[in-house]
Amino acid sequence: DAEITQSPRHKITETGRQVTLACHQTWNHNNMFWYRQDLGHGLRLIHYSYGVHDTNKGEVSDGYSVSRSNTEDLPLTLESAASSQTSVYFCASSQTGNDEQYFGPGTRLTVT
Amino acid sequence: KQEVTQIPAALSVPEGENLVLNCSFTDSAIYNLQWFRQDPGKGLTSLLLIQSSQREQTSGRLNASLDKSSGRSTLYIAASQPGDSATYLCAVEGYDYKLSFGAGTTVTVRA
Repeated sequence: DAEITQSPRHKITETGRQVTLACHQTWNHNNMFWYRQDLGHGLRLIHYSYGVHDTNKGEVSDGYSVSRSNTEDLPLTLESAASSQTSVYFCASSQTGNDEQYFGPGTRLTVT
Repeated sequence: KQEVTQIPAALSVPEGENLVLNCSFTDSAIYNLQWFRQDPGKGLTSLLLIQSSQREQTSGRLNASLDKSSGRSTLYIAASQPGDSATYLCAVEGYDYKLSFGAGTTVTVRA
Protein backbone atom coordinates (compact mmCIF):
# COMPACT_ATOMS: atom_id res chain seq x y z
CA ASP A 1 0.00 0.00 0.00
CA ALA A 2 1.14 3.54 -0.70
CA GLU A 3 2.10 5.49 2.39
CA ILE A 4 4.01 8.39 3.87
CA THR A 5 6.66 7.72 6.50
CA GLN A 6 8.76 9.90 8.76
CA SER A 7 11.98 9.14 10.59
CA PRO A 8 13.04 9.25 13.27
CA ARG A 9 9.79 9.19 15.26
CA HIS A 10 11.50 10.67 18.29
CA LYS A 11 14.70 12.71 18.48
CA ILE A 12 16.55 14.47 21.29
CA THR A 13 19.34 16.81 20.30
CA GLU A 14 21.39 19.62 21.75
CA THR A 15 21.22 23.31 20.99
CA GLY A 16 23.39 24.25 18.02
CA ARG A 17 23.46 20.82 16.36
CA GLN A 18 22.28 20.23 12.81
CA VAL A 19 19.32 17.87 12.58
CA THR A 20 17.62 16.33 9.55
CA LEU A 21 14.13 14.85 9.64
CA ALA A 22 13.21 12.48 6.83
CA CYS A 23 9.92 12.27 4.95
CA HIS A 24 9.24 9.64 2.29
CA GLN A 25 6.03 9.07 0.30
CA THR A 26 5.25 6.30 -2.14
CA TRP A 27 2.18 7.85 -3.84
CA ASN A 28 4.30 9.70 -6.40
CA HIS A 29 2.62 12.93 -5.26
CA ASN A 30 3.86 16.22 -6.67
CA ASN A 31 3.21 18.33 -3.57
CA MET A 32 4.93 17.85 -0.23
CA PHE A 33 4.66 19.92 2.95
CA TRP A 34 6.28 20.25 6.37
CA TYR A 35 4.29 21.51 9.37
CA ARG A 36 5.04 21.95 13.03
CA GLN A 37 2.45 21.54 15.75
CA ASP A 38 2.68 23.43 19.04
CA LEU A 39 0.20 23.92 21.85
CA GLY A 40 -1.67 27.16 21.34
CA HIS A 41 -0.62 27.50 17.70
CA GLY A 42 -2.09 24.52 15.92
CA LEU A 43 -0.28 23.36 12.77
CA ARG A 44 1.87 25.90 10.97
CA LEU A 45 3.50 25.50 7.56
CA ILE A 46 7.31 25.49 7.49
CA HIS A 47 8.26 24.70 3.87
CA TYR A 48 6.60 23.15 0.86
CA SER A 49 7.43 21.83 -2.59
CA TYR A 50 5.39 21.50 -5.78
CA GLY A 51 7.85 19.17 -7.47
CA VAL A 52 11.47 18.12 -7.93
CA HIS A 53 13.91 21.00 -7.39
CA ASP A 54 11.07 23.29 -6.25
CA THR A 55 11.00 24.57 -2.64
CA ASN A 56 9.10 27.44 -1.00
CA LYS A 57 9.03 29.09 2.40
CA GLY A 58 6.00 28.80 4.58
CA GLU A 59 4.75 30.77 7.55
CA VAL A 60 7.53 29.76 9.99
CA SER A 61 10.58 28.96 7.83
CA ASP A 62 13.36 30.73 9.76
CA GLY A 63 16.02 28.23 10.89
CA TYR A 64 14.77 25.47 8.57
CA SER A 65 15.66 24.34 5.05
CA VAL A 66 14.45 21.68 2.62
CA SER A 67 15.61 20.21 -0.66
CA ARG A 68 13.71 18.11 -3.23
CA SER A 69 16.00 15.96 -5.34
CA ASN A 70 13.36 13.35 -6.20
CA THR A 71 9.59 12.95 -6.08
CA GLU A 72 9.47 10.70 -3.01
CA ASP A 73 11.53 12.60 -0.43
CA LEU A 74 11.49 16.01 1.26
CA PRO A 75 14.01 16.10 4.13
CA LEU A 76 13.74 18.95 6.63
CA THR A 77 17.01 20.31 8.06
CA LEU A 78 17.42 22.41 11.16
CA GLU A 79 20.71 24.18 10.52
CA SER A 80 21.46 24.99 14.17
CA ALA A 81 18.82 23.61 16.50
CA ALA A 82 17.27 25.98 19.04
CA SER A 83 15.05 25.24 22.05
CA SER A 84 12.23 27.11 20.29
CA GLN A 85 12.26 24.35 17.66
CA THR A 86 11.14 21.73 20.17
CA SER A 87 7.91 20.58 18.58
CA VAL A 88 6.09 17.81 16.74
CA TYR A 89 6.80 17.85 13.01
CA PHE A 90 4.42 16.49 10.39
CA CYS A 91 5.07 15.83 6.74
CA ALA A 92 2.21 15.70 4.23
CA SER A 93 1.71 15.14 0.52
CA SER A 94 -0.96 15.67 -2.13
CA GLN A 95 -1.18 15.13 -5.86
CA THR A 96 -2.86 18.31 -7.05
CA GLY A 97 -4.91 21.15 -5.74
CA ASN A 98 -8.39 20.34 -4.50
CA ASP A 99 -7.10 17.01 -3.28
CA GLU A 100 -6.68 15.47 0.15
CA GLN A 101 -3.41 15.97 1.94
CA TYR A 102 -2.11 12.78 3.54
CA PHE A 103 -0.10 13.11 6.72
CA GLY A 104 2.78 11.12 8.12
CA PRO A 105 2.84 9.89 11.74
CA GLY A 106 4.96 12.79 12.98
CA THR A 107 8.41 13.27 14.55
CA ARG A 108 8.67 14.51 18.12
CA LEU A 109 11.82 16.65 18.38
CA THR A 110 13.25 17.87 21.67
CA VAL A 111 16.10 20.39 21.69
CA THR A 112 17.90 20.60 25.05
CA LYS B 1 -3.63 35.77 5.28
CA GLN B 2 -6.21 33.07 5.91
CA GLU B 3 -7.37 32.84 9.53
CA VAL B 4 -9.22 29.73 10.68
CA THR B 5 -11.09 29.66 13.98
CA GLN B 6 -12.69 26.68 15.70
CA ILE B 7 -15.28 27.02 18.41
CA PRO B 8 -15.55 25.64 21.01
CA ALA B 9 -11.96 24.78 21.99
CA ALA B 10 -13.21 21.87 24.09
CA LEU B 11 -16.46 19.95 24.40
CA SER B 12 -17.62 17.24 26.81
CA VAL B 13 -20.85 15.33 26.16
CA PRO B 14 -22.52 12.14 27.40
CA GLU B 15 -22.53 9.14 25.11
CA GLY B 16 -25.34 9.19 22.57
CA GLU B 17 -25.56 12.96 22.26
CA ASN B 18 -24.98 14.58 18.86
CA LEU B 19 -21.83 16.66 18.43
CA VAL B 20 -21.67 20.00 16.61
CA LEU B 21 -18.23 21.45 15.86
CA ASN B 22 -17.84 24.84 14.22
CA CYS B 23 -15.15 26.24 11.93
CA SER B 24 -14.92 29.70 10.40
CA PHE B 25 -12.43 31.17 7.92
CA THR B 26 -11.76 34.69 6.70
CA ASP B 27 -10.93 34.25 2.99
CA SER B 28 -13.55 32.54 0.83
CA ALA B 29 -11.07 31.92 -2.02
CA ILE B 30 -10.57 28.25 -1.20
CA TYR B 31 -10.25 24.99 -3.12
CA ASN B 32 -11.71 22.88 -0.36
CA LEU B 33 -12.12 22.37 3.37
CA GLN B 34 -10.96 19.28 5.22
CA TRP B 35 -11.87 17.92 8.62
CA PHE B 36 -9.23 15.83 10.41
CA ARG B 37 -9.19 13.75 13.55
CA GLN B 38 -6.14 13.58 15.80
CA ASP B 39 -5.77 11.18 18.73
CA PRO B 40 -3.31 12.09 21.52
CA GLY B 41 0.28 11.64 20.39
CA LYS B 42 -0.79 10.53 16.92
CA GLY B 43 -0.91 11.90 13.41
CA LEU B 44 -3.84 13.36 11.48
CA THR B 45 -6.54 11.22 9.92
CA SER B 46 -8.63 12.79 7.19
CA LEU B 47 -12.37 12.49 7.88
CA LEU B 48 -14.08 14.48 5.17
CA LEU B 49 -13.13 16.77 2.32
CA ILE B 50 -15.68 19.25 0.96
CA GLN B 51 -14.87 20.87 -2.33
CA SER B 52 -15.68 24.58 -2.64
CA SER B 53 -18.54 23.84 -5.04
CA GLN B 54 -20.20 21.44 -2.58
CA ARG B 55 -22.57 22.24 0.28
CA GLU B 56 -22.06 19.10 2.33
CA GLN B 57 -20.35 15.73 2.57
CA THR B 58 -21.35 12.66 4.54
CA SER B 59 -19.53 9.58 5.78
CA GLY B 60 -21.36 7.25 8.13
CA ARG B 61 -22.25 9.17 11.31
CA LEU B 62 -20.32 12.22 10.12
CA ASN B 63 -21.78 15.09 8.14
CA ALA B 64 -19.96 18.27 7.23
CA SER B 65 -21.52 21.37 5.71
CA LEU B 66 -19.83 24.27 3.96
CA ASP B 67 -21.08 27.82 3.42
CA LYS B 68 -18.23 29.37 1.48
CA SER B 69 -19.80 32.80 1.15
CA SER B 70 -20.11 33.22 4.91
CA GLY B 71 -16.83 31.43 5.63
CA ARG B 72 -18.31 28.68 7.80
CA SER B 73 -18.29 24.91 8.11
CA THR B 74 -19.92 22.64 10.64
CA LEU B 75 -19.06 19.04 11.46
CA TYR B 76 -21.92 16.98 12.89
CA ILE B 77 -21.26 13.64 14.59
CA ALA B 78 -24.43 11.72 15.29
CA ALA B 79 -24.97 9.49 18.31
CA SER B 80 -21.53 10.07 19.81
CA GLN B 81 -19.50 7.20 21.28
CA PRO B 82 -16.52 7.18 23.68
CA GLY B 83 -14.35 6.22 20.69
CA ASP B 84 -15.16 9.60 19.15
CA SER B 85 -13.06 11.28 21.85
CA ALA B 86 -10.24 13.09 20.03
CA THR B 87 -9.22 16.49 18.73
CA TYR B 88 -10.93 17.57 15.52
CA LEU B 89 -9.12 19.94 13.21
CA CYS B 90 -10.53 22.04 10.41
CA ALA B 91 -8.28 23.12 7.53
CA VAL B 92 -8.91 25.14 4.37
CA GLU B 93 -6.88 24.74 1.20
CA GLY B 94 -6.09 27.87 -0.76
CA TYR B 95 -5.46 28.08 -4.48
CA ASP B 96 -1.75 27.64 -3.70
CA TYR B 97 -2.50 24.11 -2.33
CA LYS B 98 -1.46 25.17 1.19
CA LEU B 99 -3.58 24.24 4.19
CA SER B 100 -4.43 26.72 6.92
CA PHE B 101 -5.48 25.03 10.15
CA GLY B 102 -7.67 25.94 13.05
CA ALA B 103 -6.44 25.22 16.59
CA GLY B 104 -8.90 22.35 16.96
CA THR B 105 -11.78 21.27 19.18
CA THR B 106 -11.00 18.62 21.80
CA VAL B 107 -13.98 16.33 22.29
CA THR B 108 -14.61 14.06 25.27
CA VAL B 109 -17.52 11.63 25.11
CA ARG B 110 -18.41 10.32 28.57
CA ALA B 111 -19.62 6.73 28.86
